[in-house]
Amino acid sequence: DIVMTQSPLSLPVTPGEPASISCRSSQSLLHGNGYNYLAWYLQKPGQSPQLLIYLGSNRASGVPDRFSGSGSGTDFTLKISRVEAEDVGVYYCLKALQTSITFGQGTRLEIK
Amino acid sequence: QVQLQESGPGLVKPSETLSLTCAVSGGSFSSYYWSWIRQPPGKGLEWIGYIFYSGSTNYNPSLKSRVTISMDTPKHQFSLKLNSVTAADTAVYYCARGGIWFGEFYAVDYWGQGTLVTVSS
Repeated sequence: DIVMTQSPLSLPVTPGEPASISCRSSQSLLHGNGYNYLAWYLQKPGQSPQLLIYLGSNRASGVPDRFSGSGSGTDFTLKISRVEAEDVGVYYCLKALQTSITFGQGTRLEIK
Repeated sequence: QVQLQESGPGLVKPSETLSLTCAVSGGSFSSYYWSWIRQPPGKGLEWIGYIFYSGSTNYNPSLKSRVTISMDTPKHQFSLKLNSVTAADTAVYYCARGGIWFGEFYAVDYWGQGTLVTVSS
């Protein structure tokens, strides 16, 4: 089974400061077509998760440009250039592709 | 705007079968992976499985022996059955749409609001 490991699990951030979350896969998520099948989600308190980034680095519609995704193969990063109060919640990475879809364990971002 | 709405009993007895339905509106029912995902209280997300619009299915290996996902294309609905439930199956259950990129599932792009199912006698 492919394991998705996020770090850190808890992330206190001062508003206006940057934040970074890592997601590592036990197997490469780079498809033969050249795309990385890795997505990022934010679950705000009391809400369903919302898609932030897909295929490793593509922002979903309506997502502010302070969010960016990078990485390839087994190592991926979600960056927030300047954290705002509305960014509070739990961030998850998702390994896509057809077999054994898997979420990371989640990273809780809180405001200092 | 695509909308997904879960429905079904909020309370299920141990050893019985959990049954939920998801109604899809506002978009095509074809060419997507229709998925179920759950989240135990205070915990993370767990993918349960999906049904492709062609009818093929794929399940989480840890739940495969107990799960069935089916769909009713004319009604734009798909359903989840999880049998022999225990307290460990208590969770918020989400239905969701998975998109396709180069023939592969690439992300869940739309989610339902979720429905809490409690397993208790």
